[in-house]
Amino acid sequence: QSALTQPASVSGSPGQSITISCTGTSSDVGSYNLVSWYQQHPGKAPKLMIYEVSKRPSGVSNRFSGSKSGNTASLTISGLQAEDEADYYCCSYAGSSTSNVFGGGTKLTVL
Amino acid sequence: QVQLVESGGGLVKPGGSLRLSCAASGFTFSDYYMSWIRQAPGKGLEWVSYISSSGSTIYYADSVKGRFTISRDNAKNSLYLQMNSLRAEDTAVYYCARDPGSGSYPQYYFDYWGQGTLVTVSS
Repeated sequence: QSALTQPASVSGSPGQSITISCTGTSSDVGSYNLVSWYQQHPGKAPKLMIYEVSKRPSGVSNRFSGSKSGNTASLTISGLQAEDEADYYCCSYAGSSTSNVFGGGTKLTVL
Repeated sequence: QVQLVESGGGLVKPGGSLRLSCAASGFTFSDYYMSWIRQAPGKGLEWVSYISSSGSTIYYADSVKGRFTISRDNAKNSLYLQMNSLRAEDTAVYYCARDPGSGSYPQYYFDYWGQGTLVTVSS
């Protein structure tokens, strides 16, 4: 099972909005509304930011939102803040024989 | 509060074995699916294995199938990963993570993660 495709890096200025894409196939992202997104700061464990494409866990800022169209999922962060600078990973269910597949990760730089 | 604490990592030679443990607290461990996820140094996340709440259903990534065995002891609130025939490419931080689905229905995402334990495979 190939990893999902994410841009290696994105950047934005404080207060701006950015979107990170996550492209899969009809066997994973396109078939299931089971896309999740994780934030990881250096040396730390990943943190769940979005699940089931667009749902936010309790405690996650509403500046984070998720969506999906076809085989591509997206994470949008609005009102960028310095603390948003981190690596972001998407993840999708890919069927019972494969279970989960992650994207390669995107490094977000807040300028 | 939910806590997951991994242990058992270390330096091992190629072809060697290692057993990782994950001690869970702050929730009813026996109700939840659990997973191991790894991250090679400077690389992205890779899902490794899933186990159902009862231990009756197990999945593995192709990269570890036949070499790694996931298990759990619900009486001890613990998750395990037995790793055999280790290769250099298995070098990574190994995280245990909880799937919020309970009973027989996983949700296929991970709401709590441990801090990870580093496994280094090198001669």
